[in-house]
Amino acid sequence: DGGITQSPKYLFRKEGQNVTLSCEQNLNHDAMYWYRQDPGQGLRLIYYSQIVNDFQKGDIAEGYSVSREKKESFPLTVTSAQKNPTAFYLCASNDGIGETQYFGPGTRLLVL
Amino acid sequence: GIQVEQSPPDLILQEGANSTLRCNFSDSVNNLQWFHQNPWGQLINLFYIPSGTKQNGRLSATTVATERYSLLYISSSQTTDSGVYFCAVEDWNRDDKIIFGKGTRLHILP
Repeated sequence: DGGITQSPKYLFRKEGQNVTLSCEQNLNHDAMYWYRQDPGQGLRLIYYSQIVNDFQKGDIAEGYSVSREKKESFPLTVTSAQKNPTAFYLCASNDGIGETQYFGPGTRLLVL
Repeated sequence: GIQVEQSPPDLILQEGANSTLRCNFSDSVNNLQWFHQNPWGQLINLFYIPSGTKQNGRLSATTVATERYSLLYISSSQTTDSGVYFCAVEDWNRDDKIIFGKGTRLHILP
Protein backbone atom coordinates (compact mmCIF):
# COMPACT_ATOMS: atom_id res chain seq x y z
CA ASP A 1 0.00 0.00 0.00
CA GLY A 2 1.19 3.53 -0.73
CA GLY A 3 1.63 5.83 2.22
CA ILE A 4 3.85 7.54 4.73
CA THR A 5 5.54 5.73 7.59
CA GLN A 6 7.08 7.30 10.66
CA SER A 7 9.22 5.62 13.28
CA PRO A 8 9.41 5.18 16.11
CA LYS A 9 5.88 5.69 17.38
CA TYR A 10 7.22 6.81 20.78
CA LEU A 11 10.67 8.21 21.52
CA PHE A 12 12.31 9.18 24.79
CA ARG A 13 15.14 11.66 24.89
CA LYS A 14 17.57 12.38 27.68
CA GLU A 15 18.85 15.87 28.38
CA GLY A 16 21.60 16.90 25.95
CA GLN A 17 20.89 14.07 23.53
CA ASN A 18 20.20 14.33 19.81
CA VAL A 19 17.49 12.07 18.42
CA THR A 20 16.40 11.38 14.84
CA LEU A 21 12.83 10.77 13.71
CA SER A 22 12.32 8.78 10.54
CA CYS A 23 9.86 9.60 7.75
CA GLU A 24 9.54 7.51 4.59
CA GLN A 25 7.01 7.79 1.76
CA ASN A 26 6.36 5.58 -1.26
CA LEU A 27 3.91 7.95 -2.94
CA ASN A 28 6.58 9.34 -5.28
CA HIS A 29 5.86 12.82 -3.91
CA ASP A 30 8.35 15.60 -4.48
CA ALA A 31 7.50 17.68 -1.40
CA MET A 32 7.85 16.58 2.22
CA TYR A 33 7.15 18.44 5.47
CA TRP A 34 7.74 18.20 9.21
CA TYR A 35 5.23 19.66 11.67
CA ARG A 36 5.16 19.93 15.43
CA GLN A 37 1.91 19.71 17.38
CA ASP A 38 1.61 20.68 21.04
CA PRO A 39 -1.41 19.65 23.15
CA GLY A 40 -4.55 21.52 22.15
CA GLN A 41 -2.73 23.37 19.39
CA GLY A 42 -2.60 23.35 15.63
CA LEU A 43 0.36 22.25 13.55
CA ARG A 44 3.46 24.39 13.19
CA LEU A 45 5.88 23.93 10.30
CA ILE A 46 9.46 23.00 11.22
CA TYR A 47 11.11 22.30 7.85
CA TYR A 48 10.00 21.45 4.35
CA SER A 49 11.60 20.15 1.19
CA GLN A 50 10.21 20.57 -2.30
CA ILE A 51 12.92 18.57 -4.04
CA VAL A 52 15.79 16.21 -3.26
CA ASN A 53 18.92 17.85 -1.79
CA ASP A 54 17.03 21.05 -0.97
CA PHE A 55 15.05 22.14 2.08
CA GLN A 56 13.81 25.33 3.73
CA LYS A 57 13.18 26.43 7.28
CA GLY A 58 9.63 26.69 8.48
CA ASP A 59 8.33 28.81 11.33
CA ILE A 60 10.05 26.98 14.21
CA ALA A 61 13.28 25.53 12.76
CA GLU A 62 15.57 26.45 15.66
CA GLY A 63 16.93 23.35 17.40
CA TYR A 64 16.04 21.04 14.51
CA SER A 65 17.88 19.80 11.42
CA VAL A 66 16.86 17.78 8.36
CA SER A 67 18.32 16.13 5.28
CA ARG A 68 16.80 15.09 1.95
CA GLU A 69 19.27 12.77 0.26
CA LYS A 70 16.56 10.56 -1.25
CA LYS A 71 13.14 11.42 -2.63
CA GLU A 72 11.38 8.98 -0.32
CA SER A 73 13.13 9.92 2.94
CA PHE A 74 13.11 13.09 5.07
CA PRO A 75 14.56 12.45 8.56
CA LEU A 76 14.28 15.06 11.30
CA THR A 77 16.93 15.44 14.01
CA VAL A 78 15.93 17.07 17.27
CA THR A 79 19.13 18.51 18.68
CA SER A 80 20.09 19.36 22.24
CA ALA A 81 19.58 23.01 21.29
CA GLN A 82 15.81 22.42 21.23
CA LYS A 83 14.97 23.21 24.83
CA ASN A 84 11.36 22.09 24.81
CA PRO A 85 11.15 19.11 22.44
CA THR A 86 8.26 17.24 24.05
CA ALA A 87 5.56 17.20 21.37
CA PHE A 88 3.84 15.16 18.68
CA TYR A 89 5.77 15.25 15.38
CA LEU A 90 4.00 14.74 12.07
CA CYS A 91 5.53 14.17 8.67
CA ALA A 92 3.58 14.92 5.49
CA SER A 93 4.06 14.86 1.75
CA ASN A 94 2.35 16.09 -1.37
CA ASP A 95 2.97 16.26 -5.06
CA GLY A 96 3.71 19.97 -5.10
CA ILE A 97 2.07 23.32 -4.60
CA GLY A 98 -1.71 23.21 -4.54
CA GLU A 99 -1.92 19.46 -4.03
CA THR A 100 -3.50 17.49 -1.18
CA GLN A 101 -1.25 16.76 1.79
CA TYR A 102 -0.94 13.25 3.19
CA PHE A 103 0.23 12.64 6.75
CA GLY A 104 2.12 9.89 8.52
CA PRO A 105 0.90 8.47 11.86
CA GLY A 106 3.25 10.66 13.92
CA THR A 107 5.96 10.23 16.56
CA ARG A 108 5.47 11.26 20.19
CA LEU A 109 8.72 12.57 21.69
CA LEU A 110 9.12 12.76 25.45
CA VAL A 111 12.03 14.21 27.39
CA LEU A 112 13.19 12.30 30.46
CA GLY B 1 1.49 36.13 7.30
CA ILE B 2 -2.00 34.77 6.92
CA GLN B 3 -4.04 34.22 10.05
CA VAL B 4 -6.39 31.24 10.16
CA GLU B 5 -9.13 31.20 12.77
CA GLN B 6 -11.49 28.33 13.42
CA SER B 7 -14.71 28.31 15.37
CA PRO B 8 -16.01 27.04 17.62
CA PRO B 9 -12.94 25.74 19.48
CA ASP B 10 -14.95 22.95 21.07
CA LEU B 11 -18.26 21.33 20.19
CA ILE B 12 -20.18 18.61 22.01
CA LEU B 13 -23.11 17.00 20.23
CA GLN B 14 -25.39 14.05 20.55
CA GLU B 15 -25.11 11.30 17.96
CA GLY B 16 -27.34 12.07 14.98
CA ALA B 17 -27.01 15.86 15.25
CA ASN B 18 -25.76 18.13 12.48
CA SER B 19 -22.89 20.60 12.86
CA THR B 20 -21.19 23.45 11.03
CA LEU B 21 -17.52 24.29 11.54
CA ARG B 22 -16.11 27.58 10.32
CA CYS B 23 -12.69 28.68 9.08
CA ASN B 24 -11.85 32.35 8.50
CA PHE B 25 -8.64 33.46 6.84
CA SER B 26 -7.15 36.92 6.68
CA ASP B 27 -5.89 37.11 3.08
CA SER B 28 -6.21 35.53 -0.35
CA VAL B 29 -5.08 31.93 -0.47
CA ASN B 30 -4.04 29.49 -3.16
CA ASN B 31 -5.89 26.59 -1.68
CA LEU B 32 -7.71 25.42 1.42
CA GLN B 33 -7.87 21.96 2.93
CA TRP B 34 -9.93 20.41 5.71
CA PHE B 35 -8.43 17.62 7.82
CA HIS B 36 -9.75 15.31 10.52
CA GLN B 37 -7.39 14.19 13.29
CA ASN B 38 -8.63 11.08 15.07
CA PRO B 39 -8.02 10.44 18.80
CA TRP B 40 -4.83 8.52 17.96
CA GLY B 41 -3.32 11.50 16.14
CA GLN B 42 -3.72 10.41 12.52
CA LEU B 43 -4.59 13.26 10.16
CA ILE B 44 -6.78 12.49 7.18
CA ASN B 45 -7.49 14.91 4.38
CA LEU B 46 -11.22 15.48 3.97
CA PHE B 47 -11.43 18.11 1.27
CA TYR B 48 -9.20 20.14 -0.98
CA ILE B 49 -11.46 23.10 -1.65
CA PRO B 50 -10.03 26.48 -2.73
CA SER B 51 -13.52 27.57 -3.79
CA GLY B 52 -17.00 26.21 -4.35
CA THR B 53 -18.76 23.28 -2.72
CA LYS B 54 -17.87 19.61 -2.43
CA GLN B 55 -19.65 16.69 -0.83
CA ASN B 56 -18.44 13.31 0.35
CA GLY B 57 -21.10 11.23 2.05
CA ARG B 58 -22.27 12.92 5.24
CA LEU B 59 -19.63 15.63 4.94
CA SER B 60 -19.66 18.66 2.73
CA ALA B 61 -17.59 21.83 2.51
CA THR B 62 -18.06 25.26 1.02
CA THR B 63 -15.38 27.89 0.49
CA VAL B 64 -16.24 31.48 -0.39
CA ALA B 65 -12.80 32.76 -1.34
CA THR B 66 -13.93 36.36 -1.97
CA GLU B 67 -15.26 36.57 1.59
CA ARG B 68 -12.34 34.58 3.07
CA TYR B 69 -14.16 31.79 4.83
CA SER B 70 -14.89 28.11 4.54
CA LEU B 71 -17.52 25.94 6.20
CA LEU B 72 -17.46 22.23 6.95
CA TYR B 73 -20.84 20.55 7.43
CA ILE B 74 -21.25 17.23 9.19
CA SER B 75 -24.70 15.67 9.02
CA SER B 76 -26.11 12.82 11.12
CA SER B 77 -23.02 12.77 13.35
CA GLN B 78 -21.55 9.44 14.46
CA THR B 79 -19.21 8.75 17.36
CA THR B 80 -16.44 8.03 14.85
CA ASP B 81 -16.65 11.68 13.76
CA SER B 82 -15.08 12.69 17.09
CA GLY B 83 -11.67 14.28 16.95
CA VAL B 84 -10.16 17.56 15.87
CA TYR B 85 -10.98 19.23 12.56
CA PHE B 86 -8.30 21.47 11.07
CA CYS B 87 -8.49 23.99 8.31
CA ALA B 88 -5.22 24.72 6.45
CA VAL B 89 -4.42 27.28 3.77
CA GLU B 90 -1.50 27.93 1.45
CA ASP B 91 0.05 31.35 2.00
CA TRP B 92 1.16 32.54 -1.45
CA ASN B 93 2.98 35.45 0.21
CA ARG B 94 5.26 33.01 2.05
CA ASP B 95 6.47 30.52 -0.56
CA ASP B 96 3.14 28.69 -0.42
CA LYS B 97 3.71 27.46 3.13
CA ILE B 98 0.71 25.69 4.58
CA ILE B 99 -0.74 27.43 7.62
CA PHE B 100 -3.00 25.50 10.01
CA GLY B 101 -5.73 26.85 12.25
CA LYS B 102 -5.91 25.70 15.87
CA GLY B 103 -8.76 23.33 15.10
CA THR B 104 -12.26 22.55 16.33
CA ARG B 105 -12.44 19.69 18.83
CA LEU B 106 -15.65 17.72 18.24
CA HIS B 107 -17.09 15.26 20.75
CA ILE B 108 -20.00 13.10 19.60
CA LEU B 109 -21.83 11.48 22.49
CA PRO B 110 -23.57 8.10 22.00
